[in-house]
Amino acid sequence: SQQGEEDPQALSIQEGENATMNCSYKTSINNLQWYRQNSGRGLVHLILIRSNEREKHSGRLRVTLDTSKKSSSLLITASRAADTASYFCATPTYISGGYNKLIFGAGTRLAVHP
Amino acid sequence: NAGVTQTPKFQVLKTGQSMTLQCAQDMNHEYMSWYRQDPGMGLRLIHYSVGAGITDQGEVPNGYNVSRSTTEDFPLRLLSAAPSQTSVYFCASSLALGLGNTIYFGEGSWLTVV
Repeated sequence: SQQGEEDPQALSIQEGENATMNCSYKTSINNLQWYRQNSGRGLVHLILIRSNEREKHSGRLRVTLDTSKKSSSLLITASRAADTASYFCATPTYISGGYNKLIFGAGTRLAVHP
Repeated sequence: NAGVTQTPKFQVLKTGQSMTLQCAQDMNHEYMSWYRQDPGMGLRLIHYSVGAGITDQGEVPNGYNVSRSTTEDFPLRLLSAAPSQTSVYFCASSLALGLGNTIYFGEGSWLTVV
């Protein structure tokens, strides 16, 4: 079963608009990570938020974490066509004596139109 | 510093054939893993390793073998390819997954089994 589930599955916006993607997870976490995947490429790490943090910024990215609701959101402000990609949340899960499994959601496909 | 290198990029196999996907990293990372990505789904963990000589199963290990004879290399072997193994495969590495370290992904290997 998937730990992280993104919402919406797909998002289409115009350049300059903000894009918000949500992620829900099921079990306790020590951190939550967001990744971007351009078409035909590998995943690139965007930002990590720890379980004791509520909000984190990185450039045009803002991530929030609500551990009581087991949810996180990724906001991309002033979007650009180059932001077109799939975005995934992921949480390390404890197995076999360590946090050795990173569970990904199905992702949100973002399309930013010029 | 090349990061995580996967080969081959593309491969077509016939049912029943075997092959090895190569993965190498030059960052002295202890943790390495293999994921597969199927349409509409996030990444699912196949096998992982927390150091040379140590491997363990992930979510979908059946039909795959791994070994970790060196810190740098983590090959994935398909023993007898099946059409259900048609997928995109990603190798990833990290210093230590559970401590909030960034995970680095390879560019992916597209495998088709006919």
